[in-house]
Amino acid sequence: QVQLQESGPGLVKPSETLSLTCAVSGYSISSGFYWGWIRQPPGNGLEWIGSIYHSGSTYYNPSLKSRVTISVDTSKNQFSLNLSSVTAADTAVYYCARQPGYSSGWHAFDIWGQGTMVTVFS
Amino acid sequence: EIVMTQSPATLSVSPGEGATLSCRASQSVSSNLAWYQQKPGQAPRLLIYGASTRATGIPARFSGSGSGTEFTLTISSLQSEDFAVYYCQQYNNWPPSMYTFGQGTKLEIK
Repeated sequence: QVQLQESGPGLVKPSETLSLTCAVSGYSISSGFYWGWIRQPPGNGLEWIGSIYHSGSTYYNPSLKSRVTISVDTSKNQFSLNLSSVTAADTAVYYCARQPGYSSGWHAFDIWGQGTMVTVFS
Repeated sequence: EIVMTQSPATLSVSPGEGATLSCRASQSVSSNLAWYQQKPGQAPRLLIYGASTRATGIPARFSGSGSGTEFTLTISSLQSEDFAVYYCQQYNNWPPSMYTFGQGTKLEIK
């Protein structure tokens, strides 16, 4: 079955760049779907960060757009998140997830990774 | 930005009883609404998309309704594994743009 697995440093210093990777197994990213990042600060709700298509087309939350870069590596069947100039407010569990595309008629996130906790800490 | 407001924040229900959770959008999202269930330490799990379509493997006791700005998630005959936090999410824009989630409703055992 399709599985997503996030990986990356659990601690990041303020002003530095947070970098995470989501490895996809059981499905080829190049075959379709969109792939997204969502985060959840401790004890709080969910925030969409952005999504990417296998072609490299990206879509970002306007509130984070100036600091976010999402990229895809189809040869490794993975996609990545970079969030620059982090502060304590970026401390959260970061999830990657799959998102059906336009032809499906619906675009909720149907498969999620287990999430990875990232703490911004000096 | 479309603001999603869920009510109540916490709902206390006895096992075997039913539960109704509400989600309101600040502007119409048509039927572009999803519901997720999240248990402690776990990722959200998609329950409902298109406001009323159950995702693969979701039991029939979960049902969604509504369109426009008012939505409801109904869980009939609550099982012990249903006690969790539930989130609604609008995905009204395509290509992806400014998707937003509600703040969540905690469904707890009475």
